[in-house]
Amino acid sequence: GAGVSQSPRYKVAKRGQDVALRCDPISGHVSLFWYQQALGQGPEFLTYFQNEAQLDKSGLPSDRFFAERPEGSVSTLKIQRTQQEDSAVYLCASSPVGNGGQGHEQFFGPGTRLTVL
Amino acid sequence: GQQVMQIPQYQHVQEGEDFTTYCNSSTTLSNIQWYKQRPGGHPVFLIQLVKSGEVKKQKRLTFQFGEAKKNSSLHITATQTTDVGTYFCAGPHYQLIWGAGTKLIIKP
Repeated sequence: GAGVSQSPRYKVAKRGQDVALRCDPISGHVSLFWYQQALGQGPEFLTYFQNEAQLDKSGLPSDRFFAERPEGSVSTLKIQRTQQEDSAVYLCASSPVGNGGQGHEQFFGPGTRLTVL
Repeated sequence: GQQVMQIPQYQHVQEGEDFTTYCNSSTTLSNIQWYKQRPGGHPVFLIQLVKSGEVKKQKRLTFQFGEAKKNSSLHITATQTTDVGTYFCAGPHYQLIWGAGTKLIIKP
């Protein structure tokens, strides 16, 4: 079956622009995660959804970052007034189980590489 | 808070040599997962270890979970070019706590 998809794969934004990154998880997956991965680093947690509920947004770096998953499937990560330090790969992952997906593998999308000029 | 430390950051090997990466946690882990990320790719799940002292093998890859469930290792025997990438361990939490990864580089 289809895996996790993300769009766009690449995004170049001018500083101050707003961007929206989309994630289509595997159908039926309960948990959805957003991660930020800087070059040469491991993924850093941003936020977690269980179905449509955003249960944890403690990793969002500022109030310029906002995520939603209104119908419990597709999710959008929005970054307002982008800054150069926002440049990174944004990864989406999903898991078929709830409870933070604990004890189960996460299935990752290909990521969106955001470059802020 | 919980931290997962991974060493080394890089390992350069000749093709055919062995490779090992180590993962250490400040707290006991209920389980640990290993992922591989190819250059330009996304993390792909390799395995999960749950039991104290557990050893699992996947072809040339051997995964170990320490008796105290605070450390883990991944050993690759006779590396091949297809093994190139970064190997991450991730400890369980409400969300996964990731190590910084070990990059496997094959010397030309």
